[in-house]
Amino acid sequence: GENVEQHPSTLSVQEGDSAVIKCTYSDSASNYFPWYKQELGKRPQLIIDIRSNVGEKKDQRIAVTLNKTAKHFSLHITETQPEDSAVYFCAASIYGNTPLVFGKGTRLSVIA
Amino acid sequence: DGGITQSPKYLFRKEGQNVTLSCEQNLNHDAMYWYRQDPGQGLRLIYYSQIVNDFQKGDIAEGYSVSREKKESFPLTVTSAQKNPTAFYLCASSIGPGLATEAFFGQGTRLTVV
Repeated sequence: GENVEQHPSTLSVQEGDSAVIKCTYSDSASNYFPWYKQELGKRPQLIIDIRSNVGEKKDQRIAVTLNKTAKHFSLHITETQPEDSAVYFCAASIYGNTPLVFGKGTRLSVIA
Repeated sequence: DGGITQSPKYLFRKEGQNVTLSCEQNLNHDAMYWYRQDPGQGLRLIYYSQIVNDFQKGDIAEGYSVSREKKESFPLTVTSAQKNPTAFYLCASSIGPGLATEAFFGQGTRLTVV
């Protein structure tokens, strides 16, 4: 089955700096890669996703890149703000045919 | 107000007791999932269901049971066979197989064995 590895487990950045979180996956058939943000005590919420037919997707300050050959994808957050502090999870699946398999999460702290 | 609702938010169980966690959605989603969240472990899949009256084991199904008698409901029972049940349990739903698979999560149930 699919296995998703996520690094780093914790990340501290100064406000205004960029943050990068990386994930690798094992199943070459996976073609859907979402990222979820979970604030303390709240439910995970989708912030961005990418499908295997594109290499990069941006939404304001966040972007995701995908390298299918190397089987890794990354989340990039620019101009970080204190409200970006949360746990971020990457995940992978095959379009609706398999449940999402999640990485172990990255706790991002943005220091003002 | 559309969404996915879990109840209760907090649940305490004595050792040896079975408990059932509720999950209801009004999003008309075919697929529903149960994940367990432990510190540093991410979200691990317990059970999932892609259609009414059918469900599949996930990676950590031992000690748990589910039912899917209605499209909108997917309750999870934590049995006495689950050796370490204290955790945060998240229910999720998505449109269904073959379609975009964004998963919407409930607010979670924190289960504590006392």
